[in-house]
Amino acid sequence: EDKVVQSPLSLVVHEGDTVTLNCSYEVTNFRSLLWYKQEKKAPTFLFMLTSSGIEKKSGRLSSILDKKELFSILNITATQTGDSAIYLCAVGANFGNEKLTFGTGTRLTIIP
Amino acid sequence: EPEVTQTPSHQVTQMGQEVILRCVPISNHLYFYWYRQILGQKVEFLVSFYNNEISEKSEIFDDQFSVERPDGSNFTLKIRSTKLEDSAMYFCASSKDRGGTDTQYFGPGTRLTVL
Repeated sequence: EDKVVQSPLSLVVHEGDTVTLNCSYEVTNFRSLLWYKQEKKAPTFLFMLTSSGIEKKSGRLSSILDKKELFSILNITATQTGDSAIYLCAVGANFGNEKLTFGTGTRLTIIP
Repeated sequence: EPEVTQTPSHQVTQMGQEVILRCVPISNHLYFYWYRQILGQKVEFLVSFYNNEISEKSEIFDDQFSVERPDGSNFTLKIRSTKLEDSAMYFCASSKDRGGTDTQYFGPGTRLTVL
């Protein structure tokens, strides 16, 4: 059974701090790992990673994948209160598997 | 920017009633999905749909559930006889290419409450 594990489950930091969120996975026929931000309702897309060692960056957010060790990290620098959300990691597979398998998420709270 | 839309945002129903949740995927996308999230739990895959047929479904997606693309824009999830445990947030998603290889974009969800 495919498995995605995120850590920590919850994180509280002060505005301006840098945070690292972790995602490890066990998936048959791995194809992609995606990060989403879930504020009130819909998961909104952040990054899709398919290759090891290539950092994806968007503003203060960046992410990298390690396919040998089966994990990914999401970094947020200079955090702001608007970064408070649940961050979801999901994994997609090859060969006709359409679904994304999600982790439980990391709840990030930024204190002003 | 194109986005997935869903209606209604909140649906309250009595146990045993039928509900239909509606979604309008992004217009040039070809693959459509339903996921659900029970309060406090993980987002779980229900079903994927391509070329007017189900391409994959989970064990949650039993005979009580069905999906349809009744016209060129809508994608619906029907629950025939709702149970208390069907109470959850239901998300529709769509992608241009198949799920494992392309980003799935999610709608805002329909909160279903079964009394």
